Amino acid sequence: DVKVTQSSRYLVKRTGEKVFLECVQDMDHENMFWYRQDPGLGLRLIYFSYDVKMKEKGDIPEGYSVSREKKERVSLILESASTNQTSMYLCASMEQGAGNTIYFGEGSWLTVV
Amino acid sequence: GENVEQHPSTLSVQEGDSAVIKCTYSDSASNYFPWYKQELGKRPQLIIDIRSNVGEKKDQRIAVTLNKTAKHFSLHITETQPEDSAVYFCAGLPTGTASKLTFGTGTRLQVTL
Repeated sequence: DVKVTQSSRYLVKRTGEKVFLECVQDMDHENMFWYRQDPGLGLRLIYFSYDVKMKEKGDIPEGYSVSREKKERVSLILESASTNQTSMYLCASMEQGAGNTIYFGEGSWLTVV
Repeated sequence: GENVEQHPSTLSVQEGDSAVIKCTYSDSASNYFPWYKQELGKRPQLIIDIRSNVGEKKDQRIAVTLNKTAKHFSLHITETQPEDSAVYFCAGLPTGTASKLTFGTGTRLQVTL
């Protein structure tokens, strides 16, 4: 079974703080994703990494960046957290190629106060 | 880019009845359409998918149909059970994006006794 592990389930951060959300997968997948989940808005792609040090912006990249130094690990970085970034963040991984299954992590609930 | 619309946003059915969730997509060249189920507090997980070369696919009590001409696809759950209660997401794979799925906004299904 594919395992996608997000290091923090619940975080509370202050406005202006730099926040790191970490994600690790154990299936040697090339592709890793960060999504944001908000009620009524579904799953929106923030960033996509298709290899070590390679990334593409998703639909809502503003205020975020990603770092992928090792194949199994990707970090989502909020450079200066704001209250409108309070949300559930889902990491996912997938084997390269169109139409493969995306495997999600359990999610990280971030509250910015 | 691809736009996926999903309806209804909430659906309540009695145990044993059928449930249908519908999605439309905008990119006529999209060719892969998965459905994900997210139980309360858990990660989204793939339950069924369909590719554009088939019109219907079944897996026990769930089925997905695809109408390429009308650009819509539907999830059908028969003989619903309480454990079917969850949020369901449809998704489409747009042209030229080998891995980046576009998700619908989700349907909260409640199966009542």
